[in-house]
Amino acid sequence: QVQLQESGPGLLKPSETLSLTCTVSGVSISSSYWSWIRQPPGKRLEYIGYIYYTGSTNYNPSLKSRVTISVDTSKNQFSLNLSSVTAADTAVYYCARGYFDSSGYSNPFDNWGQGTLVTVSS
Amino acid sequence: DSVMTQSPDSLAVSLGERATINCKSSQSLLYSLNNKNYLAWYQQKPGQPPKLLIYWASTRESGVPDRFSGSGSGTDFTLTISSLRAEDVAVYYCLQYLHTPRTFGQGTKVEIK
Repeated sequence: QVQLQESGPGLLKPSETLSLTCTVSGVSISSSYWSWIRQPPGKRLEYIGYIYYTGSTNYNPSLKSRVTISVDTSKNQFSLNLSSVTAADTAVYYCARGYFDSSGYSNPFDNWGQGTLVTVSS
Repeated sequence: DSVMTQSPDSLAVSLGERATINCKSSQSLLYSLNNKNYLAWYQQKPGQPPKLLIYWASTRESGVPDRFSGSGSGTDFTLTISSLRAEDVAVYYCLQYLHTPRTFGQGTKVEIK
């Protein structure tokens, strides 16, 4: 079955760059669109952005100036970079499958990683 | 952005009783070309990622018990748990996946009375 696993540092200082990687297993990363979603403590889930194996991306306008998502098809991984972090970026970060299906039709996020807590503190 | 507003924020229901959660979208989620509502429901238990329960507003994901049902169209949607079980204690979220960016409701916490 499809499995996703986030990895990366859990503690950052303000102004640093958050870097996370999602490793996908059980399916080829070229089969779907892949997204990053975050959940600040006590707040609602927030879509960050997606990537397709071709490198096509889409970012939430609220974060667009600071976000880069990339893909490494040889490793079946995709990654998130979020620059100039502040305490407001403290959240559990999830990678998930979905946004569009392989035919380009909108679909929900149907498989999620366990999530990784990233804390921004001086 | 499409703003998703859930009600109530929390509810306590006795075991075996019905739980009803509402979700209202600021924009219609009904796509006229295929007559589908782009609304999904998720269940999130502590320390776990969200689990997809329902999509297209009323289609249960494989393996989801039939006590979970979804209804509604356009801007107003409902998730119903027909007979609450202890394992249903969780936070439930709605998601709209028609408009960019995708947006979630604030969540509804379901507890046992």
